[in-house]
Amino acid sequence: AQSVTQLGSHVSVSEGALVLLRCNYSSSVPPYLFWYVQYPNQGLQLLLKYTSAATLVKGINGFEAEFKKSETSFHLTKPSAHMSDAAEYFCAVRSNYQLIWGAGTKLIIKP
Amino acid sequence: DSGVTQTPKHLITATGQRVTLRCSPRSGDLSVYWYQQSLDQGLQFLIQYYNGEERAKGNILERFSAQQFPDLHSELNLSSLELGDSALYFCASSVVASGSTDTQYFGPGTRLTVL
Repeated sequence: AQSVTQLGSHVSVSEGALVLLRCNYSSSVPPYLFWYVQYPNQGLQLLLKYTSAATLVKGINGFEAEFKKSETSFHLTKPSAHMSDAAEYFCAVRSNYQLIWGAGTKLIIKP
Repeated sequence: DSGVTQTPKHLITATGQRVTLRCSPRSGDLSVYWYQQSLDQGLQFLIQYYNGEERAKGNILERFSAQQFPDLHSELNLSSLELGDSALYFCASSVVASGSTDTQYFGPGTRLTVL
């Protein structure tokens, strides 16, 4: 069965600092991976997705993620955090018809 | 704005009652997915419909049911409500039925509170 683990339920960084949100997956088949963001009191918005075309995937709002098969990881990064990045981030893997979700990581930005 | 609409935005009801949540997918999308987001269970897939037919079931309780109508909007029916059903219910839509890289677009959700 496929699964997703997000390390750290909360991550706190200073404004302007590097953002690193960790996601590890478990899959017996080539995975299709997604990062979504959820702002307070809003729905989920797609940040980026891995479709096996390229291991480094660029998304919206300056975020990118690198697929590393050897580490079964798909960590999300952003070089410089902005206050508007404060939100909850979810990693997901596609399994047949559904998305299997990680528990989410709340990103806190310190001024 | 994802183009997926959900009504109502908030719903407060009592235990034992029945409610209906409504979802309109993005124009052109044939698949509708329902998810439940709660503090203790996180995000969980409930059910998927494609062009009016049930395509996949996840962790959906027997007290819950859904359907997709000819105009492609979908309704999620929750009955005999319990306190533990309080959650945020999301609808998502996508173009195809099962493309692995198919993107699901999410609505703003319906927050259900069962008192």
